[in-house]
Amino acid sequence: ELKVEQNPLFLSMQEGKNYTIYCNYSTTSDRLYWYRQDPGKSLESLFVLLSNGAVKQEGRLMASLDTKARLSTLHITAAVHDLSATYFCAVYTQGGSEKLVFGKGTKLTVNP
Amino acid sequence: NAGVTQTPKFRILKIGQSMTLQCTQDMNHNYMYWYRQDPGMGLKLIYYSVGAGITDKGEVPNGYNVSRSTTEDFPLRLELAAPSQTSVYFCASRGTGYEKLFFGSGTQLSVL
Repeated sequence: ELKVEQNPLFLSMQEGKNYTIYCNYSTTSDRLYWYRQDPGKSLESLFVLLSNGAVKQEGRLMASLDTKARLSTLHITAAVHDLSATYFCAVYTQGGSEKLVFGKGTKLTVNP
Repeated sequence: NAGVTQTPKFRILKIGQSMTLQCTQDMNHNYMYWYRQDPGMGLKLIYYSVGAGITDKGEVPNGYNVSRSTTEDFPLRLELAAPSQTSVYFCASRGTGYEKLFFGSGTQLSVL
């Protein structure tokens, strides 16, 4: 059974600081997705990582994928309040299944 | 662009009642998914479909049923509602390949 673990689950940081969110998964996969959810809202796609070593960046967020370590990171640079949200990573199960399994999410709060 | 449309947005059910959550997408996507989101638990896959007439169970299918008679529609049926089904339900769709999921706005369901 595929398990997707994120840490930390809660993150409170000051504006201007850097931090990294980690996403580990338990079975081989070369497709990993990051989503953002604002309170009371739906999920919005941030990044699609499709190969080992893939790196994507948008604004103050950068995501990377290491399929050998079964690890993805979401790095936040010089955080601003607008980045406050819950961030989810998700991975497809293997073997031809189309099940996308989500981590529990990391709730990020950026304080002035 | 409508994207993925879910109805209703809110619903209160009594224990033992039944209801259908509607989901429609206008992007001609083959893949459709139903997730439930409980506080602090991320998203759990209920059912998914890879095309009209084809559905399969996800992680938490008990107490739910689905059908996929057309490419556009993927309704989720709750029979004999129970308090454990109180949750926020999200429908999502994607095209072929490794595309991201597009999510609906969600249905907040309370079973009392």
